[in-house]
Amino acid sequence: DIVLTQSPGTLSLSPGERATLSCRASQSVSSNYVAWYHQKPGQAPRLLIYDASSRAPGISDRFSGSGSGTDFTLTISRLEPEDFAVYYCQQYDSSPRTFGQGTKVEVK
Amino acid sequence: EVLLVDSGGGLVQPGGSLRLSCTASGFNFTTYWMTWVRQAPGKGLEWVATINADGSKMYYVDSVKGRFTISRDNAKSSLYLQMNTLRAEDTAVYYCGRGSGLLPDWGQGTLVTVSS
Repeated sequence: DIVLTQSPGTLSLSPGERATLSCRASQSVSSNYVAWYHQKPGQAPRLLIYDASSRAPGISDRFSGSGSGTDFTLTISRLEPEDFAVYYCQQYDSSPRTFGQGTKVEVK
Repeated sequence: EVLLVDSGGGLVQPGGSLRLSCTASGFNFTTYWMTWVRQAPGKGLEWVATINADGSKMYYVDSVKGRFTISRDNAKSSLYLQMNTLRAEDTAVYYCGRGSGLLPDWGQGTLVTVSS
C-alpha cells in the first residue's frame, strides 16, 4: 500500500497569509494521480485539486497544487476565513486508494 | 447538479449487521464506478470499497473483506453497503462517492456506531 504522510499536522496562520502543505508518498505515484480535498467540521470532503496540479471546477485560483513522484504540495496563496479546515491528500494510482492523515489549518 | 444522499446508519451491537444506502441523482449513475469511504470519529479518511459501473467487480480494503459487501441497483440509481459482523472499530461516518479513485462528489455521510 502507498502510505501518504502529510506535514505539518497543524498549521497556525492568519487570514491573508500563505499556506504550504506537504504530502509525501512512500513510493512513487504514477501519472501524478494525487488529489487534495478539504473538509470543514460536520461536512463531507470537497475536491480541490486533482492530477496533482489541476483545479477542480469552481475552486478558487488561490489554491494550487504541484509536485511529482513522491513529493506533492498544496499552496493557498492568501488565506480566506472559509479556508480554515482540514486538508487531505489522496493517491488514486494504485489500490487500495489511500489518504494522508490530514493537515489542520487553523486561525492563529 | 450531482446529488448523493447517504442513509441507513445507526446504533448496532458488535457482531450485528447494517445496510447503508446511497441514492444518486443529477448524473448517469449507470456509467460511473462508485465508492464508500469512512471516517472514524476525530480521525482521517479511509477508503472502504469500490464497485464498477455494471456491478460485476468489487474491491475492498483488507479490514472489511469477507464482512462487507458493496452492491448497486442501476435501475434505482442506488449504491449499497451491506455490513456484517460489525466491530467497534467500524464505528465511523460512511460516505458514498462518485468515482473509483478520484472522488469529485460525496454524499453527506451517515453515522454507524457499533457499541453494546
